[in-house]
Amino acid sequence: DSGVTQTPKHLITATGQRVTLRCSPRSGDLSVYWYQQSLDQGLQFLIQYYNGEERAKGNILERFSAQQFPDLHSELNLSSLELGDSALYFCASSEGTGTSGANVLTFGAGSRLTVL
Amino acid sequence: EDQVTQSPEALRLQEGESSSLNCSYTVSGLRGLFWYRQDPGKGPEFLFTLYSAGEEKEKERLKATLTKKESFLHITAPKPEDSATYLCAVQAYSGAGSYQLTFGKGTKLSVIP
Repeated sequence: DSGVTQTPKHLITATGQRVTLRCSPRSGDLSVYWYQQSLDQGLQFLIQYYNGEERAKGNILERFSAQQFPDLHSELNLSSLELGDSALYFCASSEGTGTSGANVLTFGAGSRLTVL
Repeated sequence: EDQVTQSPEALRLQEGESSSLNCSYTVSGLRGLFWYRQDPGKGPEFLFTLYSAGEEKEKERLKATLTKKESFLHITAPKPEDSATYLCAVQAYSGAGSYQLTFGKGTKLSVIP
């Protein structure tokens, strides 16, 4: 157990629908990161939050949004889902922002999204 | 644009047969190079961070090395439990005061008893 908790583990939904993925970071970590992993693309960085504020954006689609709450848990919202959104979505956390040195990320077990 | 290329894509070894995995990278302002292990259905698990060329780190049967253009993950006398996908990632400046990880696609290692 890495200490990073993600729910749900599996999710099956239809095109056009909206889903929310939830992540609780490891105790003491202030940064939360979201990554998408598909078979052909590997792990792609989506977005980072630090202590409730957006810190960095990667290849996140406009249909996707995220937030980090005062208790530091984070949610990733995926809307108007398409078949191509089917993937594993990982949350990771770290103690700092990564600006002061190399930053080790601890990953959760992931949420597998299947869009039919 | 930062790039990380891992080779081979897949590797089958007999138990006890040592080998190396390669990670070549192109990045401006490297902060660190990371190796992660990922088991099926699980999230990546941190193995090593390397910061500068010439640095080496070891953990059990694994040894990671770093040059200015590539990193190697050497596996000595592997066991079946070493079977996993090994991911390489570089952390570099990505703009607006942010440093992010760029991952390679991984090498899937299978160790046959």
